[in-house]
Amino acid sequence: EADIYQTPRYLVIGTGKKITLECSQTMGHDKMYWYQQDPGMELHLIHYSYGVNSTEKGDLSSESTVSRIRTEHFPLTLESARPSHTSQYLCASSEYWGSGTQETQYFGPGTRLLVL
Amino acid sequence: GQQLNQSPQSMFIQEGEDVSMNCTSSSIFNTWLWYKQEPGEGPVLLIALYKAGELTSNGRLTAQFGITRKDSFLNISASIPSDVGIYFCAGQLFTSGTYKYIFGTGTRLKVLA
Repeated sequence: EADIYQTPRYLVIGTGKKITLECSQTMGHDKMYWYQQDPGMELHLIHYSYGVNSTEKGDLSSESTVSRIRTEHFPLTLESARPSHTSQYLCASSEYWGSGTQETQYFGPGTRLLVL
Repeated sequence: GQQLNQSPQSMFIQEGEDVSMNCTSSSIFNTWLWYKQEPGEGPVLLIALYKAGELTSNGRLTAQFGITRKDSFLNISASIPSDVGIYFCAGQLFTSGTYKYIFGTGTRLKVLA
């Protein structure tokens, strides 16, 4: 069972507002991720982090930013929301096995964002 | 870039039938993960596979890591209505100096009672 939490679960907001999507995990995992997913579609990696003070951009270009000040917390911020940001945002964390080449990734419940 | 081909895209089956889906790629993976996702929720991990040839079960679910490390399949036996959802495979590989996950496009499963 994975202990990874996201808030809010649902957010409806107007264009131009600044928003922060919260993600926290209590498993002590070093690696964390943010994915963007449109309904029923595949996941696209937008940000990831190897640990505290480490953040990297993913494969899908995103106007969002992330920070990793604490191991358990990986918030995502949109400075000025637009309708094109409407999507589901999924946070994940992973643990390493064996020699460090094997990894299991766990997802949070997601935040569904609607920008009007 | 790396791609995962997941098939079938969707399935409509009768309750009690067995289901099989698979993912293939031209890339070699270190790990295969299978997830189930329901509408509005995050993917839930079903099975994780770490070695080529590994066959792992979780209740009515069975998954295998292909010998070539380029494919994996998931079987669901005796399907029930609550099996409905989208099933995703994910492969982990080492590329451009980092480990990353590639996700399949999903198999949408509908079970008719």
